[in-house]
Parts: sequence; structure tokens; C-alpha cells
Amino acid sequence: NAGVTQTPKFQVLKTGQSMTLQCAQDMNHNSMYWYRQDPGMGLRLIYYSASEGTTDKGEVPNGYNVSRLNKREFSLRLESAAPSQTSVYFCASRNYLHFSGANVLTFGAGSRLTVL
Amino acid sequence: GENVEQHPSTLSVQEGDSAVIKCTYSDSASNYFPWYKQELGKRPQLIIDIRSNVGEKKDQRIAVTLNKTAKHFSLHITETQPEDSAVYFCAPEGNTPLVFGKGTRLSVIA
Repeated sequence: NAGVTQTPKFQVLKTGQSMTLQCAQDMNHNSMYWYRQDPGMGLRLIYYSASEGTTDKGEVPNGYNVSRLNKREFSLRLESAAPSQTSVYFCASRNYLHFSGANVLTFGAGSRLTVL
Repeated sequence: GENVEQHPSTLSVQEGDSAVIKCTYSDSASNYFPWYKQELGKRPQLIIDIRSNVGEKKDQRIAVTLNKTAKHFSLHITETQPEDSAVYFCAPEGNTPLVFGKGTRLSVIA
């Protein structure tokens, strides 16, 4: 099992360019998440998908869009990149069961994005 | 939404000493309380978690204690080792998905 796979690992963009970060999991998890990590800010939730066919905004959704393509895949798109979006992006997945077990997040290796 | 604060933001201890990191939260509906560890350049990984019906949980040198009344939970690491050096995040969850604290950078000095 590969777990959670993110691509690309590194990307440099110019301001105004667009790109899509890809994420796939092979653990049959129902929920998937996109976080960004900036120094001193911890992990901030951008968007999440509680189950296939649903997506919801997190703490910092502005400037991003997401697509839950199927149960395995959850992509994050930057339509017009800005320097403030320079960050490390983590995709994560889990089987979410409220008031129950199996709430552990499994993270991908991260994607480092630089916007010039 | 959930407001999460971690203290301290940085912590240095001598090898063999204990370390304690505290996490306070605001959502009284929170019922799941995990701690994640992130080593330099790596992804975060769960090290221990607790549910609201339990006050304490131990796993070898690490433990988590929960005080639901006061809305805080703490990570305890005993007999610290250099490999414990990392950033630790709490991420309480209730009606909203996991909200991560800003992290505590633990340095264990040999």
C-alpha cells in the first residue's frame, strides 16, 4: 500500500499562473483533506471532503478550489497563484466516524510550492 | 469555530528529563483529542490520542491527560531521548474537522 500520494513534490510558479496539486489514497478512506503549513502557523485546513461527492471549506479556502474526483482522488487547484500561497501543502485522508474510532489522519509527504 | 492554543511554543529539555505540552480548546463539543509529531522535513504522524470518555492514556514513554471541564489536554513525554526532538501538534475535534494548534518545537539536548 502506498498510503497517500501527492504530486508534484516541488513546484515553482509565477504570480498569476495556475496549477493543480494531485492527491490519491489507496486505503479506501471516506474523508480527504488539504492543509497548508507555514512557519509558526501550524497546519491550516483549506478544504475537505467528508465523503465522495461532498466538499466543504476549511479555515483558509480563499484562492483555492477542490475536486473530489472519486473516492480515491482529491485535487487542489490554484487558479491564479499569489506569493501568499507559497507554502507546503499536505493532503490527508481517514475513515471518519463521529463519536467512534478510526479518526487518525494519514498524511501525504507534502508538496512545496513557491510563487514568485 | 474551534480556537486552539498550545503552550509552550518552544521547549528545550535535557536528555532523560520529562516534557509537558498543554493544549487548550474552546469547543465544548470536542470529543477527540490527538497529538501529532512532525520531524524536520517529514509529514505529521499520530503518536497518541484520547477520547472524551477517558481521562488518561499511556503508551510507553508518552501519555495524554484530558480535563474536559477546563477544556485542556496535555502531552507528557518521560525519559526524553534525542529522537523525541520534533514539532508536536494538538488537534482537538468536535463539530468541525481537526483544528491544529500552532505547534510546540521540542529540543532534547544530549
